[in-house]
Amino acid sequence: AQKITQTQPGMFVQEKEAVTLDCTYDTSDQSYGLFWYKQPSSGEMIFLIYQGSYDEQNATEGRYSLNFQKARKSANLVISASQLGDSAMYFCAMRLSGGSNYKLTFGKGTLLTVNP
Amino acid sequence: DAGITQSPRYKITETGRQVTLMCHQTWSHSYMFWYRQDLGHGLRLIYYSAAADITDKGEVPDGYVVSRSKTENFPLTLESATRSQTSVYFCASNLGTEHGYTFGSGTRLTVV
Repeated sequence: AQKITQTQPGMFVQEKEAVTLDCTYDTSDQSYGLFWYKQPSSGEMIFLIYQGSYDEQNATEGRYSLNFQKARKSANLVISASQLGDSAMYFCAMRLSGGSNYKLTFGKGTLLTVNP
Repeated sequence: DAGITQSPRYKITETGRQVTLMCHQTWSHSYMFWYRQDLGHGLRLIYYSAAADITDKGEVPDGYVVSRSKTENFPLTLESATRSQTSVYFCASNLGTEHGYTFGSGTRLTVV
């Protein structure tokens, strides 16, 4: 069964600095997708970035980039130039592309605090 | 553009009572999901549905029942609520694309 591991329960970063949130995954499938979601204190789930297992380049979305290392099965989120509004819970998730159920499996999350 | 609507946003119920959480989507997405979020566990899949009248268990289905008689609705029922079911519940949907997921705003359920 697939598994997502986020080893950092909490992280602190100074405003305007970059921060990396770790995510490793475990699957024997060759085709899968990796996601990062942000959950601010208001509770909604906000999609940040997506990486397909066959994508050759790392995904980027504005200040967010996904450092995808397939051989190491890692999909770390890099946030550049942190802002106070980046303080939130961040979840890594994976979807297997085989089959037709489209289920997402989530990690336990990392709580990021951006200090002024 | 209503997207996914979950109701109620907050609910307090007593142990042993039946409670139903509602989820309604306006896009006719085929796939719908129920997750629960607990501190230290992230989001865990309770049930999912690939289409109307097709449902299947997720990781933590015990104590929950779902139905999907219409594509747009996917209610989650706790038949006899227990304190361990105190959680935040999220409904989500997917059209059937690689990364087209949409989440509802969540329902915070407290069982006393």
